[in-house]
Amino acid sequence: TQLLEQSPQFLSIQEGENLTVYCNSSSVFSSLQWYRQEPGEGPVLLVTVVTGGEVKKLKRLTFQFGDARKDSSLHITAAQPGDTGLYLCAGVGAGNMLTFGGGTRLMVKP
Amino acid sequence: NAGVMQNPRHLVRRRGQEARLRCSPMKGHSHVYWYRQLPEEGLKFMVYLQKENIIDESGMPKERFSAEFPKEGPSILRIQQVVRGDSAAYFCASSLLAGGGPYTDTQYFGPGTRLTVL
Repeated sequence: TQLLEQSPQFLSIQEGENLTVYCNSSSVFSSLQWYRQEPGEGPVLLVTVVTGGEVKKLKRLTFQFGDARKDSSLHITAAQPGDTGLYLCAGVGAGNMLTFGGGTRLMVKP
Repeated sequence: NAGVMQNPRHLVRRRGQEARLRCSPMKGHSHVYWYRQLPEEGLKFMVYLQKENIIDESGMPKERFSAEFPKEGPSILRIQQVVRGDSAAYFCASSLLAGGGPYTDTQYFGPGTRLTVL
C-alpha cells in the first residue's frame, strides 16, 4: 500500500512569513500533485510535478519534486491571509489512482 | 465549459436508509473516480469507472456500497443501509484520459456531497 505523509498537519503563521510543507513517501510515484481545498469545496489542482528534481513556481508558491520521486515540498513566500486553506499532496500511481496525504491546514493571520 | 457537478451538495439520512450520490463529469470526460473524505483528513480513493465499466473498486467497502456509470446519465454512488460511520464528504473527479500522461490524466474534482447520517 502506498502512503503519503504530510507535515506539519497544522500551521498558523502571521502574514508575511514564509513556510514549507512536506510530503514524504516510501513509494515512487509517476508524478505528484498539490491541491488546495477551501471549506465546503472540492480540491483544486495547483501543480503537477513529473521529473525527479523538478522545481515549479506559481507566483509566491514553489513546488519541488525529490530526485527519487518519493517526496515533494511546497514553499510559500510572504504568506497572505488569502493563502489560508487545506493543502493536499497526491501521488499518481498505477491506473491513474491518486493517493492523498493527510493534508496541511494553513492559517495565515493578518 | 462546466466543471464536474455533484448533487445533492448536502444529504441527510437516518440509519438504515439509502443514500444516492450523483456525479456528472466534465464534458468529454469518460473516466470517473469517487473519493471519501472524513473530517480533518485527506481523500481516500474508493472506485474508478469508465462508461458502463468498473475499472478499480479496491477502495470501496465490499458491502452496502456500489457504483455505476451508465452509458447515459451521471455516475451514481449508492450506499445502502447507511450507518453513522458513513458520514463524510464524497467527492467525484473526472479525467479526459487515464494512462495518456500526467496532463491528460489530470483529475478535476467536483464540489462534493456532504452526507450526514443521523
